Formats: sequence, structure tokens, C-alpha cells
Amino acid sequence: QQQVKQSPQSLIVQKGGISIINCAYENTAFDYFPWYQQFPGKGPALLIAIRPDVSEKKEGRFTISFNKSAKQFSLHIMDSQPGDSATYFCAAREGSARQLTFGSGTQLTVLP
Amino acid sequence: GAGVSQTPSNKVTEKGKYVELRCDPISGHTALYWYRQSLGQGPEFLIYFQGTGAADDSGLPNDRFFAVRPEGSVSTLKIQRTERGDSAVYLCASSSQGSGTSGSSYNEQFFGPGTRLTVL
Repeated sequence: QQQVKQSPQSLIVQKGGISIINCAYENTAFDYFPWYQQFPGKGPALLIAIRPDVSEKKEGRFTISFNKSAKQFSLHIMDSQPGDSATYFCAAREGSARQLTFGSGTQLTVLP
Repeated sequence: GAGVSQTPSNKVTEKGKYVELRCDPISGHTALYWYRQSLGQGPEFLIYFQGTGAADDSGLPNDRFFAVRPEGSVSTLKIQRTERGDSAVYLCASSSQGSGTSGSSYNEQFFGPGTRLTVL
């Protein structure tokens, strides 16, 4: 079963625009929600992460918004740049476990 | 510093053959994970090692898949009697031993570049 649902599958944004990727989860035991960035031929790299005791976390141009009651979280990329073009994965982890459960990914293209 | 390395980067084999995929984690990382990433999908968990022992192998799809980490560092994922459906990128990740509840990194997993396995 798909425990973390991610949308959209692909996203095209103009340079300088805002990119928004959404994820929803079902397992209320999840307590850690990272976002990963993956370039072709590379492994995923941690971008930013949040715990459910806060509703928002910002690091530079990247912001996670978290809605615990709705069991949803999203990644916002401000002032999107062509170098941000990559595949983005949301993920979640249950406190008692170690492994990550990933969403299906969003392929972001930022046009120059 | 060196990150997680995986060899080979690409492996082409024939249906029914045996393959071994190797992962060298970041030095000092006690936790090691294997994931499988099919085309257009997110990584799927296979197995997690804490030290030398497999702490959780619930993601291994069947008994054709096996992994070892005999000295608590390098790990090998072994696939017997490969099938075309095994074709995917196999990712390895490592993380440090931490409390799991303190700090902002929350035992961040660092991924290697993966091994692309193609079963013909």
C-alpha cells in the first residue's frame, strides 16, 4: 500500500516562480518528515526535514509546511532556479523504525 | 570526506544468474540501509543493519534476496536466480548512531549513487 502519496508527478515552473509539491500520509505514527532532492545518476540527498511539533520550517529558499490534523505536508521552493530542476521525494519515518517510506516523486523543471 | 560508495555503478546480467552489489558506508556510520528504486518511483526499503546484524529485513521481497555486513562496515546485497523484475537501481544509505530524538538531523541517511541492475 502507498503510505505516502505525493503530487504532482511533474511540475514546470518559470525561473523566479514558486514551486509547490504536496504529500499526504496515513500512518499517524510517522514522526519525521524529510524531503530529498535527486539529480539523474545520483542518490537522493536530504534537502530539509521537519518534525510534527512545528507547523513550518524554513531553510533559505526551501520551506516545509506541515498540517498534522490533515496529515499533509508540502515543500515550497521560492525564487525557483534552473539548478533546482531535479526529482523531489517526500518521505516519512515512524519513530520506532529506522527506514524511510518515500513518496513517488515529483520531477521539477525550472525554465530559464 | 568520502561519502557512501557503491560498486559496480552498472550491472547487466542474464535471467537466472547470481549478482552481488557492494556498499561502502561513510566511515564510522553504524547504521546501513538498502533500498530499491524502480524507474519513476521513490526508493523502497529492503533491509537495515545496525552494526553487523540485520535489525529489520522486512522489505526483502523474497528469499532470493539476502544481505550481509560481516564486519559492521561494508555490506553486500546478494540476489540469486535473478528475474527481469529485479531490474532497478539499488541504493545504499548509511547513518550515524544517535539517540534518534535529538538534533535537527534526526540520524540523517546519506545515500550512495546506486547500482543500476539490468536483468536481460
